[in-house]
Amino acid sequence: AQTVTQSQPEMSVQEAETVTLSCTYDTSESDYYLFWYKQPPSRQMILVIRQEAYKQQNATENRFSVNFQKAAKSFSLKISDSQLGDAAMYFCAYRSAGSGMRFGAGTRLTVKP
Amino acid sequence: ETGVTQSPTHLIKTRGQQVTLRCSSQSGHNTVSWYQQALGQGPQFIFQYYREEENGRGNFPPRFSGLQFPNYSSELNVNALELDDSALYLCASSPWMTSGAGETQYFGPGTRLLVL
Repeated sequence: AQTVTQSQPEMSVQEAETVTLSCTYDTSESDYYLFWYKQPPSRQMILVIRQEAYKQQNATENRFSVNFQKAAKSFSLKISDSQLGDAAMYFCAYRSAGSGMRFGAGTRLTVKP
Repeated sequence: ETGVTQSPTHLIKTRGQQVTLRCSSQSGHNTVSWYQQALGQGPQFIFQYYREEENGRGNFPPRFSGLQFPNYSSELNVNALELDDSALYLCASSPWMTSGAGETQYFGPGTRLLVL
């Protein structure tokens, strides 16, 4: 079974600095997708970034980028120039064809002014 | 463009009762997935519907059932409620892609269910 592990329950970063959230996953599939979702206190999950496993190039979305290491089954999220609005729960998720999305337990990110 | 909406926002039920939660998909989306998110945990996949048929299910008992309607709105029904069913229930809609896995899911705000 596919599992997603986020080993950092909580992280803290100073405003304007950079933080990296870790995620590892376990799968025997070769074709799959990885996601980072953000869940602010308002509860609505928002997609931050998406990575196709067959693409070697790391995905980037403005201040958000990933370090995808397929062989190591690692998928970390880097947030640059952190802003107060980045404070939220961040969930790493995995999905392969024919299955639902599997989420990690989440990392709570605090941004200090 | 209207986003994903869910109703009600909060609900309190007693053990043994039945509950129906509703979801309205984002315009143009024909796939809906439901998730259960217990307090302090990540969401867990319940099931997915595509064109009114269930086409994927997580590790949830049959008392969790669903429907998808021709207008792509959806319901989650839970029978014989148990205390452990207390959670945030999220629905997510998406357009169907050939891969069936890479499409972005757009989440609703969720329904908070409390079972006493």
